[in-house]
Amino acid sequence: DGGITQSPKYLFRKEGQNVTLSCEQNLNHDAMYWYRQDPGQGLRLIYYSQIVNDFQKGDIAEGYSVSREKKESFPLTVTSAQKNPTAFYLCASSRQGNTEAFFGQGTRLTVV
Amino acid sequence: ILNVEQSPQSLHVQEGDSTNFTCSFPSSNFYALHWYRWETAKSPEALFVMTLNGDEKKKGRISATLNTKEGYSYLYIKGSQPEDSATYLCAFRSTPNTDKLIFGTGTRLQVFP
Repeated sequence: DGGITQSPKYLFRKEGQNVTLSCEQNLNHDAMYWYRQDPGQGLRLIYYSQIVNDFQKGDIAEGYSVSREKKESFPLTVTSAQKNPTAFYLCASSRQGNTEAFFGQGTRLTVV
Repeated sequence: ILNVEQSPQSLHVQEGDSTNFTCSFPSSNFYALHWYRWETAKSPEALFVMTLNGDEKKKGRISATLNTKEGYSYLYIKGSQPEDSATYLCAFRSTPNTDKLIFGTGTRLQVFP
């Protein structure tokens, strides 16, 4: 079945460690996105990519890094520079043009 | 930072009531407005993608309107059911040259039987 997969569902890390969240899609979508949700807040855009080997910062990119080496994959690294990394992270993808985004199930990251 | 606002933040209605909520977005450089429904423990799912001023879209008991000149969209739910309980998100896309999607904070709807 086509879809977008995030792993793991829950992730625990010690403060100061980098951690990478996985996002894979087999929908042949060009665009991919990473969003963060905190309690009582909406989805805030971290990074997005419109095409392989290219990505753009969103509104809250500080402390995060991404890569887009393959069309199917858009991993997000939460670095030790991110001051408040504990959050729910959602990955999404869409075709280019005016089409809806499809979302993964999310990864809940807890940094202790 | 583009500002997309939704109101109210949360809403509690009785089964059978009709309800509506608002999404406000920048009226300049408008390209598209999306509506998503996000049920607990699930992924957000698209309801509508709207592009034209005056657009009205309908899916069952849910409909949406769009006013790009004044920068708002309404989502209506007729005869709310408990299964409509979810967070409703709108997302704004500003130009055709970018796929950047900016979301509002959402309206959390709770429908009581």
